[in-house]
Amino acid sequence: DSGVTQTPKHLITATGQRVTLRCSPRSGDLSVYWYQQSLDQGLQFLIQYYNGEERAKGNILERFSAQQFPDLHSELNLSSLELGDSALYFCASSVYSGDTTDTQYFGPGTRLTVL
Amino acid sequence: DQQVKQNSPSLSVQEGRISILNCDYTNSMFDYFLWYKKYPAEGPTFLISISSIKDKNEDGRFTVFLNKSAKHLSLHIVPSQPGDSAVYFCAATTTLYNFNKFYFGSGTKLNVKP
Repeated sequence: DSGVTQTPKHLITATGQRVTLRCSPRSGDLSVYWYQQSLDQGLQFLIQYYNGEERAKGNILERFSAQQFPDLHSELNLSSLELGDSALYFCASSVYSGDTTDTQYFGPGTRLTVL
Repeated sequence: DQQVKQNSPSLSVQEGRISILNCDYTNSMFDYFLWYKKYPAEGPTFLISISSIKDKNEDGRFTVFLNKSAKHLSLHIVPSQPGDSAVYFCAATTTLYNFNKFYFGSGTKLNVKP
């Protein structure tokens, strides 16, 4: 158990809908990362937040947005869903002491299926 | 544009033998590399890392080798155990800035046969 929790575990929805994925980082971790893993693909970095502020951005679609709240939990919002958005979405957290090499601890992921 | 590639989707090894997992990268700015292990229905778990100032880093049965001129890294597991059966991802980033993207390969599924 990494200490990172993600809800829900599974999500099935229809095209055009909007969903919210939630992540609670490990206690004490200030940085949260979101990744997408499509079928047979590696993890694609989406976005990083540090203490409530966006700090790094990957190839995140405009239909996707994220935020980190004062209690440090984070939400990833996916809207106007398409079939190709079906994937595993992972959240990771790190303490981030100013060192990019801080270990990232991953949650178990949310499996999104868009029908 | 895949900057980190793992060209072998799968690898099968006998228990007790060496497992060698390979990873190639294209971005010469990358100076920090990691390996993660992932079991089914779980998130990836950090395994071992290496900075570009080194060419080898060891942690128990796991050794990572870095060949900067070839832009290639490999993970050696000796001896391999059935519990090592998992998907292994390599990842890379640059430490040039405080906040950086991490680039992952597509993974290699290792099967260690008893």
